[in-house]
Amino acid sequence: EVQLVESGGGLVQPGRSLRLSCAASGFTLGDYAMHWVRQVPGKGLEWVSGFTWNTGTIDYVDSVKGRFTVSRDNAKNSLYLQMNSLKSEDTALYHCARRSDSYAFDLWGQGTMVTVSS
Amino acid sequence: DIQMTQSPSSLSASIGDRVTITCRSSQTTRTYLNWYQQKPGIAPRLLIYSASSLQSGVPSRFSGNGSGTDFTLTITSLQPEDFATYYCQQSYGSPHTFGQGTKLEIK
Repeated sequence: EVQLVESGGGLVQPGRSLRLSCAASGFTLGDYAMHWVRQVPGKGLEWVSGFTWNTGTIDYVDSVKGRFTVSRDNAKNSLYLQMNSLKSEDTALYHCARRSDSYAFDLWGQGTMVTVSS
Repeated sequence: DIQMTQSPSSLSASIGDRVTITCRSSQTTRTYLNWYQQKPGIAPRLLIYSASSLQSGVPSRFSGNGSGTDFTLTITSLQPEDFATYYCQQSYGSPHTFGQGTKLEIK
């Protein structure tokens, strides 16, 4: 089955770090541009990070630049989001998503919840 | 950053109705515009990509139109399973911003 499964979320204190994982199955993650999108419960979708075609690089939303880093391990068919210096406003459900050749997110994981609170 | 504005923010309609949701970008996104459907507790689902192309498996009652800065998502003959929140997203510039969402409710 083609799917994405996120893990690594949890409750963390402000200023601490967390690493999220996104495991792909049914396809080769390295063949795709992958993205992270977050959603505060009850609110809208916010793009966080991903490989953007027009810059040819991994980009980040301004609010996480310098704190979040995306990486991938093709051997494990997995994507990661390293989140440092976490803030309360980072509290959200984090989804990984696969970008299709048509520049749309055609496959999403169910998400992993990150709660930043003391 | 490209800002995406959807209207309306919420919409009440009846089974069988035709509804249209509008999405406007603050600068051109050419046709790099996608539409997603999200139901509570479930990940978003891609409906329309490249402004007007129907994603595989999506019913033909969904259609998209537009280019540049103005886009629409139309659902003809609403079905019970269509009541959800809809988001547009541009994938032309970084960040790949989403609209604020349109919640479609049963009247």
